[in-house]
Amino acid sequence: GAGVSQSPSNKVTEKGKDVELRCDPISGHTALYWYRQSLGQGLEFLIYFQGNSAPDKSGLPSDRFSAERTGGSVSTLTIQRTQQEDSAVYLCASSLASGFTGELFFGEGSRLTVL
Amino acid sequence: GESVGLHLPTLSVQEGDNSIINCAYSNSASDYFIWYKQESGKGPQFIIDIRSNMDKRQGQRVTVLLNKTVKHLSLQIAATQPGDSAVYFCAENNAGNMLTFGGGTRLMVKP
Repeated sequence: GAGVSQSPSNKVTEKGKDVELRCDPISGHTALYWYRQSLGQGLEFLIYFQGNSAPDKSGLPSDRFSAERTGGSVSTLTIQRTQQEDSAVYLCASSLASGFTGELFFGEGSRLTVL
Repeated sequence: GESVGLHLPTLSVQEGDNSIINCAYSNSASDYFIWYKQESGKGPQFIIDIRSNMDKRQGQRVTVLLNKTVKHLSLQIAATQPGDSAVYFCAENNAGNMLTFGGGTRLMVKP
C-alpha cells in the first residue's frame, strides 16, 4: 500500500526482553515521527527524524528507548529491558514537508504488551 | 492505533445533528493547532488545522474555532454521520517538531 506501514501489528513479550518495532514511511517523506499511545490517553511524542539531520530525541522516556532511521527511509524503535509500563500502542507517522506541518500520516501502530 | 479509553469523555449525538468537540490547550505560546480523528484500530487522521493568526477555519463539513484569550479550541462537525464516530484529538505546536496531543473525546453517532 501507499500508506505508512508498521510491524509487527501486535507484540507480546516478557518483562526484561528487548523489542524492535519497524516503520516504513510513505515513499519520499523526509520527516518521520514516533509516538506512544497508552490506553485511553493521547499521543506522547517520542522522537523525530528529518532528512539527514540529527534526530530530536527529546521525548524518549528513558535510555532504554532508542530509534534509528537507515537510509532516510525505514525506522526501527528499540526498547531494551522492557517493563510493564512500556505496554502501549507505538505509532509512526511521516510527513512530506520539510518545515513543520501537522499533517502527519500515521500508520496503524504496533501494540506492545509486556507481561 | 486503537484508542480504547474507558475514561475518555464521550459526546453522543443523533445522526444529522451538528457536533461540537471542545479542547483546552495549555501553552499560550502555541501557534499552530490541529484536529485529528482516530477510528478504532487505526492511526490518527488529519482533519483540519489552524494557525494562531486566525480564529476560524472551515473545511468540508468541519469548522475549527480558536479562542486564544481562553486557550480554547473547538471542532464543529455539521450534519454528523455514522462514519464520524471516532475519537477526536486536538494537538498544539509551539515551534519545534513536537505536537502535543490532548486526551481525546469519543464521538458516538446514533442512527
